[in-house]
Amino acid sequence: ETGVTQSPTHLIKTRGQQVTLRCSSQSGHNTVSWYQQALGQGPQFIFQYYREEENGRGNFPPRFSGLQFPNYSSELNVNALELDDSALYLCASSPSGTGGSVDPADTQYFGPGTRLTVL
Amino acid sequence: AQKVTQAQTEISVVEKEDVTLDCVYETRDTTYYLFWYKQPPSGELVFLIRRNSFDEQNEISGRYSWNFQKSTSSFNFTITASQVVDSAVYFCALSEMIYNQGGKLIFGQGTELSVKP
Repeated sequence: ETGVTQSPTHLIKTRGQQVTLRCSSQSGHNTVSWYQQALGQGPQFIFQYYREEENGRGNFPPRFSGLQFPNYSSELNVNALELDDSALYLCASSPSGTGGSVDPADTQYFGPGTRLTVL
Repeated sequence: AQKVTQAQTEISVVEKEDVTLDCVYETRDTTYYLFWYKQPPSGELVFLIRRNSFDEQNEISGRYSWNFQKSTSSFNFTITASQVVDSAVYFCALSEMIYNQGGKLIFGQGTELSVKP
C-alpha cells in the first residue's frame, strides 16, 4: 500500500465530454505527477505539480489540465474527450527533495489508477 | 533524447527458473536515476528499486537482483527461483530533470512476465 488513492476506479464517457479524475497523495508529499498509460504501453508523463503550481508538462495538449490542493489532493481534468484518451490514468506522489524543490531522485509512489473509456 | 528500451515484450518461464529482464537507456545527463516498477493485474505500479548514476554496485534484495552497467547503459533485473506471484508487467524507468527543477519518469514499454506452475 502506497497511501495514494484515486477515484473513480473506472469511468465511461463519450467523445466531446469533459472528465475530472481525482488523486489523494501520501501525507507530506508535496509533489504529484500524472501519467497516461495506453493499453500495452508504458506510462507517459502528462504533468507534475509542486506546491500547487505546475512544475513541468509532457507532450499533451492544453485540454489536459490539473490542480493541486493544500490538503494533498489533486485533479486531472480533460476537456473535449477523444477516443484516444481511453487509457489508465495514474497519479504518483513524491516527497519534496532537499532544499525545498523537486528532486529527480525522489521516488514516485503510484496510486491504483483510473481506467477511462471514451466511446 | 532520453529513452528507455525494454526489448523483451513477453517472457514465459516455469516456476523456480531464473529470469532476467533487460533494460537499456539513453540520456545526455551525467546525473540520473533509474527505477524498476512492477505492475500486477490490479494496475498499481509498485516501486522495486532506485539507483543513481554514480553507484554501479549491484544490489540484491531477496530473490531480486539488479545489475547496473554504465558502460553499456543497461540496468537489468534478475529474479531468482521465480514464483507464480512474480507474474506481472515490469517497467524500467529513467528520471529526467524538468527545467532544472524536478524530475519526470520516462518508462520503457514494459516486459510482461508469466510464471507458470
